[in-house]
Amino acid sequence: EVQLVESGGGLIQPGGSLRVSCAASGFIVSNNFMSWVRQAPGKGLEWVSAIYSGDNTYYADSVKGRFTISRDTSKNTLYLQMNSLRAEDTAVYYCMRFPLAEWGQGTLVTVSS
Amino acid sequence: QAVVTQEPSLTVSPGGTVTLTCGSSTGDVTSGHYPYWFQQKPGQAPRTLIYDTYKKHSWTPDRFSGSLLGGKGALTLSDAQPEDEADYYCLLSYSVSRRVFGTGTKVTVL
Repeated sequence: EVQLVESGGGLIQPGGSLRVSCAASGFIVSNNFMSWVRQAPGKGLEWVSAIYSGDNTYYADSVKGRFTISRDTSKNTLYLQMNSLRAEDTAVYYCMRFPLAEWGQGTLVTVSS
Repeated sequence: QAVVTQEPSLTVSPGGTVTLTCGSSTGDVTSGHYPYWFQQKPGQAPRTLIYDTYKKHSWTPDRFSGSLLGGKGALTLSDAQPEDEADYYCLLSYSVSRRVFGTGTKVTVL
């Protein structure tokens, strides 16, 4: 059974850094197209970042240069390193596996002073 | 950046049928956009109902179906049930890495 479990969210001050994780089971993260998606409070879904074959990565313009997606094969875990955080980065962050689009339960990141 | 547009809200009667659409600012939606449809209830993570235009997960109720309709992606809900009241989002793929979510549709069963 495929499972995705996010963790690492919390309250962080503007300008700070945070790393969220997505522990996977039932499949191998490094062999799959993995993404991070976020949802600001009361808002819709936003595609944030993706990592796929050969460690190719993609970032939405809103996070490019500040966020880094990566994966640890030994831990079968996906990460999103978030730097220079802004209030508008406040959201629930979900990881997803494609092509079947399985979701984790999300982790809340709040950027506020 | 492409914009993916959905109806802001739709109302359906219990037992009725409603079709949600997913349009692209770049032109017709085709199977090459691999349309996805997600359902999200308050306080819950989204769950995937439809992938690759019409394919269903094991947990997708039979009353949901995906298709292409009039140059748009479409999600049809037949025999609507009270538990189908939720927000629905589509997702289109514009390249291997670039994917865009729709604006979302709030479905009310009333």
